[in-house]
Amino acid sequence: DTEVTQTPKHLVMGMTNKKSLKCEQHMGHRAMYWYKQKAKKPPELMFVYSYEKLSINESVPSRFSPECPNSSLLNLHLHALQPEDSALYLCASSHPWGQPNTEAFFGQGTRLTVV
Amino acid sequence: AQSVTQLDSHVSVSEGTPVLLRCNYSSSYSPSLFWYVQHPNKGLQLLLKYTSAATLVKGINGFEAEFKKSETSFHLTKPSAHMSDAAEYFCVVTSNTGNQFYFGTGTSLTVIP
Repeated sequence: DTEVTQTPKHLVMGMTNKKSLKCEQHMGHRAMYWYKQKAKKPPELMFVYSYEKLSINESVPSRFSPECPNSSLLNLHLHALQPEDSALYLCASSHPWGQPNTEAFFGQGTRLTVV
Repeated sequence: AQSVTQLDSHVSVSEGTPVLLRCNYSSSYSPSLFWYVQHPNKGLQLLLKYTSAATLVKGINGFEAEFKKSETSFHLTKPSAHMSDAAEYFCVVTSNTGNQFYFGTGTSLTVIP
């Protein structure tokens, strides 16, 4: 199994809603990532978890709250978002640094629209 | 610091002709380099990777890339373009800790029938 599964595929939410994005992998990867991708742009790193601990937060607004409940799951909790937060949110996983085969595997993404 | 520069934002080729997508990197250490492809409204798929083994790397779907340290380049090639190759291509380098992936700005490949 070399898949990273993201749910939901599409999400429309109002600015006062609370929602969560979910990501799951069963490749034994202990590094997991959230990226944000706007149209015609490369993915931008938001968060990195290494061994279930938050290791990198790229100055992301607090309305985005990541959670890594176990080594296979990664969540992104959303609250009070703005229309400019509309984007494709990508989850990825990889082996942590120092191990071979450190390429990242990406999910298909969640297309988020904030209205 | 690490960075990648994709020299062309858009490349257009005719079906059956060669593809060349250019990538230069900047790194203070021996990096790991990757090419990913993204079809519209999809996630990213790994095409190939360089991790300090052979400098000529073969990937999926007939793509290849050559790591040239003297030129700090990692250009992606394919001998004959297919219509299904039309997509966005990203060159990616890892940080020295390997915990971050730095993306180039992407090259949009159009294949003309």
